[in-house]
Amino acid sequence: EAGVVQSPRYKIIEKKQPVAFWCNPISGHNTLYWYLQNLGQGPELLIRYENEEAVDDSQLPKDRFSAERLKGVDSTLKIQPAELGDSAVYLCASAGGAVDDTQYFGPGTRLTVL
Amino acid sequence: GEDVEQSLFLSVREGDSSVINCTYTDSSSTYLYWYKQEPGAGLQLLTYIFSNMDMKQDQRLTVLLNKKDKHLSLRIADTQTGDSAIYFCAESGNTPLVFGKGTRLSVIA
Repeated sequence: EAGVVQSPRYKIIEKKQPVAFWCNPISGHNTLYWYLQNLGQGPELLIRYENEEAVDDSQLPKDRFSAERLKGVDSTLKIQPAELGDSAVYLCASAGGAVDDTQYFGPGTRLTVL
Repeated sequence: GEDVEQSLFLSVREGDSSVINCTYTDSSSTYLYWYKQEPGAGLQLLTYIFSNMDMKQDQRLTVLLNKKDKHLSLRIADTQTGDSAIYFCAESGNTPLVFGKGTRLSVIA
């Protein structure tokens, strides 16, 4: 069974440019998460989806970040405009809603803003 | 908010046991997890323990949970060079999954 797929794996952009990341969760997983991981830190939650509904976006900087999961499967995270401080790894995870609600992570997208 | 603390570095010799420790603050934690992250990769789930258990063993991995002290540990027996990575402790309860900053395990051949 395929794991969580993310693309691109790496992205380099200049500040003030827009950027988008894509995530395809494990088949059948209704819950999808986007995390931000700064260097030397653990992941921090940006947004959580249950199917197509964003049920927790309290940590998403809404002035420049947006996310969508229109059909309750794939998801896109967008930053517009990007700032130097947005350089980080953006991780997507999915969970199947089972009793243990274990999250499975994709490989991440490493963003560098110049 | 809830917090998870880990020591940042651990160095062991190949073949020895590694013990990575973690403390957390959320008394309502339901599950506690250990994830492994290799360079340039995402987080790989290693194991998890339900909060009503005090020990779980899975091949070379042993998880110990002291719920009273809110202390979690991961023991890796017969540590190999391939175990070199960053290990994250995480807890889930009433809040979304909260991660520690990770412990970088270095295995010396």
